[in-house]
Amino acid sequence: KNQVEQSPQSLIILEGKNCTLQCNYTVSPFSNLRWYKQDTGRGPVSLTIMTFSENTKSNGRYTATLDADTKQSSLHITASQLSDSASYICVVSDRGSTLGRLYFGRGTQLTVWP
Amino acid sequence: EADIYQTPRYLVIGTGKKITLECSQTMGHDKMYWYQQDPGMELHLIHYSYGVNSTEKGDLSSESTVSRIRTEHFPLTLESARPSHTSQYLCASSVRETQYFGPGTRLLVL
Repeated sequence: KNQVEQSPQSLIILEGKNCTLQCNYTVSPFSNLRWYKQDTGRGPVSLTIMTFSENTKSNGRYTATLDADTKQSSLHITASQLSDSASYICVVSDRGSTLGRLYFGRGTQLTVWP
Repeated sequence: EADIYQTPRYLVIGTGKKITLECSQTMGHDKMYWYQQDPGMELHLIHYSYGVNSTEKGDLSSESTVSRIRTEHFPLTLESARPSHTSQYLCASSVRETQYFGPGTRLLVL
């Protein structure tokens, strides 16, 4: 069964600290993996997208890694800010259809405290 | 910031009422989607469209219907709202591999 599992479910860190969010998937075949940030009451916004051949991709203080062999990805946030408080969603796309079906994780709820 | 809009943002309505959730995008994207999201849960695809006059049902069984008469407009309709329809509804459009989401409509059916 194609699934996307994220951990931890929730995380609280102090402003300025780093953190790493995990994503494990069983989706096959694999096309790409995306990380989205979803602020409370808003729609998700894309942070990074990685294909099979990419191991790492950065977007400012966000760095995503991908190990396609172990089917694991991580999102590292450096020097956290209060505005980083949000849900971070891992999404995996397969190649099984022209639509490129998406499998969503439940997200990690990050809270950054001052 | 993507140019995709949803109205209303919040809606409280009684059981049995007919409602239409609006979604519009000004980016000229052919592909559009409707997702349902409950708190702390993953997004579930309920409808999608490849372009004008194209509509397909998604993974999650839904009593809603959609239409795509114009590229920029993808409304979702519930003929008879029920409390089980209470949820957040997110509209999205895409170009290549990137999806752009609207702000969502939070629906509460009493």
